[in-house]
Amino acid sequence: DAMVIQNPRYQVTQFGKPVTLSCSQTLNHNVMYWYQQKSSQAPKLLFHYYDKDFNNEADTPDNFQSRRPNTSFCFLDIRSPGLGDAAMYLCATSRDAGTGTAKNIQYFGAGTRLSVL
Amino acid sequence: GQNIDQPTEMTATEGAIVQINCTYQTSGFNGLFWYQQHAGEAPTFLSYNVLDGLEEKGRFSSFLSRSKGYSYLLLKELQMKDSASYLCAVKVYGGSQGNLIFGKGTKLSVKP
Repeated sequence: DAMVIQNPRYQVTQFGKPVTLSCSQTLNHNVMYWYQQKSSQAPKLLFHYYDKDFNNEADTPDNFQSRRPNTSFCFLDIRSPGLGDAAMYLCATSRDAGTGTAKNIQYFGAGTRLSVL
Repeated sequence: GQNIDQPTEMTATEGAIVQINCTYQTSGFNGLFWYQQHAGEAPTFLSYNVLDGLEEKGRFSSFLSRSKGYSYLLLKELQMKDSASYLCAVKVYGGSQGNLIFGKGTKLSVKP
């Protein structure tokens, strides 16, 4: 029944060693988002894809990249993880972009908790 | 800048009513969402308000006042399973389409 699936749930990497987190969805939604959530902090949007169009937030570090090879899958690549990148990474999807006041529910995966040693 | 404030923690008793407040100062307003997040799990959608007033959905209700930049989530007949974090999120103009700005969340503990 899981609609937005993130793998793995827990990921440990070494300082500076590239790591990839994955997200898949069975909802056939157009939009996929990646958020970073640190302990007791608000989820912070890193970037999102509308279909194949990539939209990067202005303050997202260059160290974070994303790929969306098809509608169902989206990847978060951290090129050189630092200690400050340890966080929960949440993937979310929505049917459309939700412009204006249209209700645009985002459906979240359970997240991947990343530890950097 | 964008700012969303919620209390960090709240405690309530099983069977009681609790109100979780959220105030916001954002660049535009296109709707306000409440999400529930159990520890180690995905945030799940609870409610959406775009016009002033109260939206009721079972034990949960959400209220919005756009002129005051204020919303609350009301939980009635509290159950132990309601222990979770409750995230307030505002959809803002411009920038990324459908962009949500989240508050830090309110951790609710329900005690017997």
